[in-house]
Amino acid sequence: GENVEQHPSTLSVQEGDSAVIKCTYSDSASNYFPWYKQELGKRPQLIIDIRSNVGEKKDQRIAVTLNKTAKHFSLHITETQPEDSAVYFCAAGLDTGGFKTIFGAGTRLFVKA
Amino acid sequence: DTAVSQTPKYLVTQMGNDKSIKCEQNLGHDTMYWYKQDSKKFLKIMFSYNNKELIINETVPNRFSPKSPDKAHLNLHINSLELGDSAVYFCASSHRLAGTYEQYFGPGTRLTVT
Repeated sequence: GENVEQHPSTLSVQEGDSAVIKCTYSDSASNYFPWYKQELGKRPQLIIDIRSNVGEKKDQRIAVTLNKTAKHFSLHITETQPEDSAVYFCAAGLDTGGFKTIFGAGTRLFVKA
Repeated sequence: DTAVSQTPKYLVTQMGNDKSIKCEQNLGHDTMYWYKQDSKKFLKIMFSYNNKELIINETVPNRFSPKSPDKAHLNLHINSLELGDSAVYFCASSHRLAGTYEQYFGPGTRLTVT
């Protein structure tokens, strides 16, 4: 079945450094790749997404890249701040008569001040 | 205004009981979902409804029965609760017809089965 693998499971960086989270997906029909941020005790919230017809997208300190051939996509956060500390989920979505999103296992990011 | 709301926020119950969780969205979305997040934070889709019709039904025990009375509501009823059902259950919605796949999550319902 569909699968999304996410690495690393935990990431600790110093404030101001960059953080990179990587994901791979198994279903080549996937065409939508969102990233969600979940703070402790809160709901997941979309921070950025990318469609399969785009290779890269940037929004201020956050960027996402997609390599469809390798079925690989990544989240890059630059100039990290303590408030970036959270669990980040990648996901791969496809529309098969109903839209289905498969989430990665999550990356717990710690940004040390 | 709360976009996606769930009730109750916390639910503590004993094994064998039957319980329901309610979800409502006021975003005008046509698709609603139920996810289960276990203690390891893994988010797993359970069900998806589009315009009140069941679209996705993952390998979930048939003790779990979703019900969508209208496009704005998706409730989850769980029979004969088991210890392994303890988790946070998130409702979410999106607007498939508009071609936007962003999912808006509710605040979650923490279910504890003792």
